[in-house]
Amino acid sequence: KNEVEQSPQNLTAQEGEFITINCSYSVGISALHWLQQHPGGGIVSLFMLSSGKKKHGRLIATINIQEKHSSLHITASHPRDSAVYICAVITSGSRLTFGEGTQLTVNP
Amino acid sequence: GAVVSQHPSRVICKSGTSVKIECRSLDFQATTMFWYRQFPKQSLMLMATSNEGSKATYEQGVEKDKFLINHASLTLSTLTVTSAHPEDSSFYICSALTVHGYTFGSGTRLTVV
Repeated sequence: KNEVEQSPQNLTAQEGEFITINCSYSVGISALHWLQQHPGGGIVSLFMLSSGKKKHGRLIATINIQEKHSSLHITASHPRDSAVYICAVITSGSRLTFGEGTQLTVNP
Repeated sequence: GAVVSQHPSRVICKSGTSVKIECRSLDFQATTMFWYRQFPKQSLMLMATSNEGSKATYEQGVEKDKFLINHASLTLSTLTVTSAHPEDSSFYICSALTVHGYTFGSGTRLTVV
């Protein structure tokens, strides 16, 4: 069993839909990252959070430390949101442990 | 925000040659740089951790003589793939930890022919 599990692995949505990607982890962490990887490979950090909730534009990330669970929400999804979304946790020694990623496709 | 510039973005080389990949921190000092490799449809795999002024720490199964890492300054870390073979073809990406979390280079797609 992976230390970081994401669901779903693949997600197809229509433009405008509300999207949720989930991440569960089984190890102790100091923080959690949500990353976006574009088709060309480049990776952008969307959020780093260790508690509560953060919002940036149409993106919202939440984390529940007790339940070891985080969610990434995208409101009013758009085709340009199509990418791979990766949950990564920061464990001891500042090491990042990655989930398998969620491939999101938003159709116009 | 903190930016890591990675070059080249794409390189094709012949089998047996060496390729150097550079990662520069543009507006902060990166005492530690992490180097990852990613095969198609797979997660990023940590190869090694480089620390400025000291030897890199390699993950189990990563050949340190094949993947040479140098972190000679607080703003530059390099990964050299020596005697490259087709099985080294992959996507290589660096990352540094800042006060705002991790920031990533844009990645290097290496193809060995």
